[in-house]
Amino acid sequence: GENVEQHPSTLSVQEGDSAVIKCTYSDSASNYFPWYKQELGKRPQLIIDIRSNVGEKKDQRIAVTLNKTAKHFSLHITETQPEDSAVYFCAARSAGGTSYGKLTFGQGTILTVHP
Amino acid sequence: ETGVTQTPRHLVMGMTNKKSLKCEQHLGHNAMYWYKQSAKKPLELMFVYNFKEQTENNSVPSRFSPECPNSSHLFLHLHTLQPEDSALYLCASKPQGDGYNEQFFGPGTRLTVL
Repeated sequence: GENVEQHPSTLSVQEGDSAVIKCTYSDSASNYFPWYKQELGKRPQLIIDIRSNVGEKKDQRIAVTLNKTAKHFSLHITETQPEDSAVYFCAARSAGGTSYGKLTFGQGTILTVHP
Repeated sequence: ETGVTQTPRHLVMGMTNKKSLKCEQHLGHNAMYWYKQSAKKPLELMFVYNFKEQTENNSVPSRFSPECPNSSHLFLHLHTLQPEDSALYLCASKPQGDGYNEQFFGPGTRLTVL
């Protein structure tokens, strides 16, 4: 089955700096890679995702890059703000999975943005 | 927030108790999921239901018993749990079809087993 590794487990940055979180996956057939943000005491929410036929996707201050050859993908947050502080999870979905979309999640990264 | 709701939000139970967690979604989705979220561990998929049929059981112990009476409701029945089962249990749902990828999560039930 799919295995997803996420690094770092904690990340501390100053407001305005950039933050990068990296994930690797094991199943080369995986074709969908979402990123979820979970604020303290709240539910995980999708912030950005990318399909395997795209190398990069950007949405305002956040971007995701995918390297299919190396089987890794990364989340980039620019101009970080204190409200970006949360736990971020990457995930991967195997193409062999059915349309009900079984996701394998990374361990999570606790991002802290200091004012 | 509406969409995916879970009750109760907090539950404390003894190891000999029997309790149930409830999840309800008002989004018209046909796939529903139970996840376990423990401290410092990734979200662990437990069960998947697709059009009320269980399509995935991720080697979950039998003390956890899911039930999906219809596409809008999902239950997790608990009995003779262990302290290590204490965690946040999250429900999620998704529309059927490969073109729909985002899973919508509920707020979770914080379970403590004494």
